[in-house]
Amino acid sequence: AQKITQTQPGMFVQEKEAVTLDCTYDTSDQSYGLFWYKQPSSGEMIFLIYQGSYDEQNATEGRYSLNFQKARKSANLVISASQLGDSAMYFCAMREGFYGGSQGNLIFGKGTKLSVKP
Amino acid sequence: EPEVTQTPSHQVTQMGQEVILRCVPISNHLYFYWYRQILGQKVEFLVSFYNNEISEKSEIFDDQFSVERPDGSNFTLKIRSTKLEDSAMYFCASRQGPFGTSDTQYFGPGTRLTVL
Repeated sequence: AQKITQTQPGMFVQEKEAVTLDCTYDTSDQSYGLFWYKQPSSGEMIFLIYQGSYDEQNATEGRYSLNFQKARKSANLVISASQLGDSAMYFCAMREGFYGGSQGNLIFGKGTKLSVKP
Repeated sequence: EPEVTQTPSHQVTQMGQEVILRCVPISNHLYFYWYRQILGQKVEFLVSFYNNEISEKSEIFDDQFSVERPDGSNFTLKIRSTKLEDSAMYFCASRQGPFGTSDTQYFGPGTRLTVL
């Protein structure tokens, strides 16, 4: 079974509108972390936002917010006021618990390609 | 702002040749990782490294791969005898640690490896 599922291979959004990118995860750990990364066409991986499993408040970083619904095991990324520079691939990732010598390697979803239209 | 750096940005090699990919993690970080991303696919974990030894490795990280921290700043990934299927973008990442402090892994810009 997939640990991280991103069901939207591609999304379009009009400039200045908000967009939600979906991510569901599967883990039996109580302690875990969820991340979103942006990958522009140049290829680098840019960290956007982090949510810990014990964090009660949804994470926010500027125009990015993470809609964390623990019972549903979802961690959707919301981008407000989209800009042309937001066009990129977006990856959701999970860090499971630090057990048995694990140093928290990330498990990635397949990504969503976001295109912002002018 | 501190960042992870990687060299070279692009490496072209012949099948069977050895390659060394270099990374300089963020200076006060203690945990280091290599990931790879085959073109158009998701990012996959290769290996994690802490306290001068491998902590964890994936099935991809077979005997052809090795990692080393030869000095206080560099972190290298060596592929001993490259295969066509090793063509991918290789990302180095680092995390501050230890457990309980910053959880975020910061990625370098990647090295695109092309095996001919």
